[in-house]
Amino acid sequence: QQPVQSPQAVILREGEDAVINCSSSKALYSVHWYRQKHGEAPVFLMILLKGGEQKGHEKISASFNEKKQQSSLYLTASQLSYSGTYFCGTVSVTGANNLFFGTGTRLTVIP
Amino acid sequence: EAQVTQNPRYLITVTGKKLTVTCSQNMNHEYMSWYRQDPGLGLRQIYYSMNVEVTDKGDVPEGYKVSRKEKRNFPLILESPSPNQTSLYFCASSGTRRGEQYFGPGTRLTVT
Repeated sequence: QQPVQSPQAVILREGEDAVINCSSSKALYSVHWYRQKHGEAPVFLMILLKGGEQKGHEKISASFNEKKQQSSLYLTASQLSYSGTYFCGTVSVTGANNLFFGTGTRLTVIP
Repeated sequence: EAQVTQNPRYLITVTGKKLTVTCSQNMNHEYMSWYRQDPGLGLRQIYYSMNVEVTDKGDVPEGYKVSRKEKRNFPLILESPSPNQTSLYFCASSGTRRGEQYFGPGTRLTVT
């Protein structure tokens, strides 16, 4: 039930954009996005609920296509502080309280 | 300050020696979970709890036990640790059933 994230890693220069994708084989109730910096705990970015909503958080936004069971995280005009590993977490429609995380996407922003 | 605390932060132990990792939250959250993080595998849920005395298995529960006798505390117990339980462990809490997870700082466990 673990969602699949792509790409596994990406390197950007400051100011460039990136997209991280998350897909599941299960019908989804919600998708979570977290960022983890090296040596730290994951930090919540946003939740998207079924209904196909899109959310924004500064220059980081996300979309959720429940029909395709996919979510995408958009990072625009990237900053050095965006570096870290991004995880999506999915809750299926039939799953109780299990939050299944993807394997992560390592994002490195260079000057 | 709202937070989730874990102790110890680092632990090196030997195979078979029982250990407990404590987790406490001060946000009055009903939902708490334990995850392990391994390179290339992401975060995998071990156990979760929906309230005092209510717990259920996550994705990788084998070799672990939990208890929830108080709302704020959710200890993780390894009764007979083995080397394949060497990992980084995170406790998390949430105020709603499927809501935002607040993670503790992590406990790095090494079993030799």
